[in-house]
Amino acid sequence: DIVMTQGALPNPVPSGESASITCQSSKSLLHSNGKTYLNWYLQRPGQSPQLLIYWMSTRASGVSDRFSGSGSGTDFTLKISSVEAEDVGVYYCQQFLEYPRTFGGGTKLELK
Amino acid sequence: QVQLKESGPGLVQPSQTLSLTCTVSGFSLTSYNVHWVRQPPGKGLEWMGRMRYNGDTSYNSALKSRLSISRDTSKNQVFLKMNSLQTDDTGTYYCTREDYWGQGVMVTVSS
Repeated sequence: DIVMTQGALPNPVPSGESASITCQSSKSLLHSNGKTYLNWYLQRPGQSPQLLIYWMSTRASGVSDRFSGSGSGTDFTLKISSVEAEDVGVYYCQQFLEYPRTFGGGTKLELK
Repeated sequence: QVQLKESGPGLVQPSQTLSLTCTVSGFSLTSYNVHWVRQPPGKGLEWMGRMRYNGDTSYNSALKSRLSISRDTSKNQVFLKMNSLQTDDTGTYYCTREDYWGQGVMVTVSS
């Protein structure tokens, strides 16, 4: 199985500052078709996960352009510019290259 | 619009079988995959299995011996059955298309 490992944030993050969340996969998620099979989700308190980013860097419909995804085949970063109150929650990376799908352990963002 | 909604019992006794239903709208089960994902209280997300658009299934190997996923396309429903439940199966169970998620259903395993 592909293991997904997420880094922690130096919480709490001051409002208006930027935050970067890292994720590492045990196998390259870069497919021969040129696409990288990585999703980012945000789970706000008491809610279901919400898709933020797919194909490593494509924002899902309706997602603020304050969110951006980048990376290589095995190392990924979700950047949130100018953190706001609505960004509070737990962020998960997930690989969808192969089965079983696997998630990172989650990174909690708290606001100062 | 795309919607998924889970339903099922909130309380299951240990060693019994869990049966959940995911009812979808706004898309066809013959065009999209639907997955089941669960989350123990205060913990992370665990992928359980998938119903493929063509009816094929795939399961988490850790749950495979206990888990079954099926569907009824005429009713736009995907079903999860998991037997021999234990207390560590307690959690919120989600069905998801990966871009859209249901609200989840909380399942407690307790006598």
